This record gives sequence, structure tokens and C-alpha cells, in this order.
Amino acid sequence: TQLLEQSPQFLSIQEGENLTVYCNSSSVFSSLQWYRQEPGEGPVLLVTVVTGGEVKKLKRLTFQFGDARKDSSLHITAAQPGDTGLYLCLFSGNTGKLIFGQGTTLQVKP
Amino acid sequence: EAQVTQNPRYLITVTGKKLTVTCSQNMNHEYMSWYRQDPGLGLRQIYYSMNVEVTDKGDVPEGYKVSRKEKRNFPLILESPSPNQTSLYFCASSSARAQAYEQYFGPGTRLTVT
Repeated sequence: TQLLEQSPQFLSIQEGENLTVYCNSSSVFSSLQWYRQEPGEGPVLLVTVVTGGEVKKLKRLTFQFGDARKDSSLHITAAQPGDTGLYLCLFSGNTGKLIFGQGTTLQVKP
Repeated sequence: EAQVTQNPRYLITVTGKKLTVTCSQNMNHEYMSWYRQDPGLGLRQIYYSMNVEVTDKGDVPEGYKVSRKEKRNFPLILESPSPNQTSLYFCASSSARAQAYEQYFGPGTRLTVT
């Protein structure tokens, strides 16, 4: 079973701090997505990156896809309590088979 | 409203009693998929379907069955549930025109097998 290595698994920080979450794989993938999930709900798509080296920004969130398309990072600047949740990376190829990372639980304390 | 619906939302059952979790989407999506979510393991794909009458195994298909007779519906069947199938289950759909199978998720079904 292919697994993505997502780290860290847990992160508890104070409001205003910066943080980075990483996703790594030994395989090359066509694209990478990041999702955010709140308790009791399904994950919601944040961003899709498809080009090696691609960087996308969504307000205070910056997403990067590695040059070799085997890794990705999510950086949050000046985290806020509303950023609290479970962050998941998802690699996809061309077959329809999708692989999620284990998830990063982020808690931002006021 | 575009959505993926799952029923039931909560289910407690006993070992061996066949059950079906329904999933329906109203976005005319070709791709549908089932996942289970367990602490520390993230979401793992059970089965997926690229279109009507086309289904494929994901990473953890053992103990599950699916069918795709209509585009909008993708039920998950547990013929003989066991306690290790206690989990949170999500159905998701995606358009075939999507860049990377971006997933729209349902609200989840929490299943407990005793």
C-alpha cells in the first residue's frame, strides 16, 4: 500500500505564529491537492497544484509542489484560531486511484 | 445546491449483519469514490468508479462491495461487517473534466460494528 508521509501529525501553536506542513512520497504524481477538514464534516478542497515547482497562494496560505512532483508543503503565515483543523494532502495520478497523507491536526490558540 | 449526500449518518450494527450505506450526488459527476477515515491513518480509498458500470479497487477494498448502476448513486455494501470495519466513511465525487479529480465530499457516515 502506497502511503504519503505527512508531517507533523500534530501541531499546537499560538495565534500569530507561522507553520509549515510537509507531504512526501517516493513516487512521482500528476498533481497534488490540499484539503482542510473540520470536526464532523467532510474535507474541503483548498488548492490543486499540477506543475513541478508551482507555488500558489490563498490569502495567508502558501502551497508549493516540489520540482520532481514527489513532495509538497503548506505554509501558513500568522496563524489564526480559525485555521484550526485537520489538513490533508492528496496525490493523484491518471488512473483514478487517490492517495491521502495521514493528516496534520493543527490547533491555533488565541 | 450542489452536494453529495450519504445515508445514514450514524449506524450501530452487529457483526455479520449486512448493511448498505447510500451515496448520491447531484452534480452529474462521472467519478465517485469511497473512503474510510481512522485516527492516524488519514483517509484510505476503498473503491472508486470512473463512470457507470466501471468500478476499481482502492487501497483497502477487502470486506466491501460497490456498484454503479446509475451516474448519481454509488452505494457501499458490507456483506458481513466485522468490528475492524468500525470507522468514519466518506463518499466523494469529481468531474471527469477536473484537473486532478478534485473531490467533493459528503458529510460522512459513522459506523460502529459490535
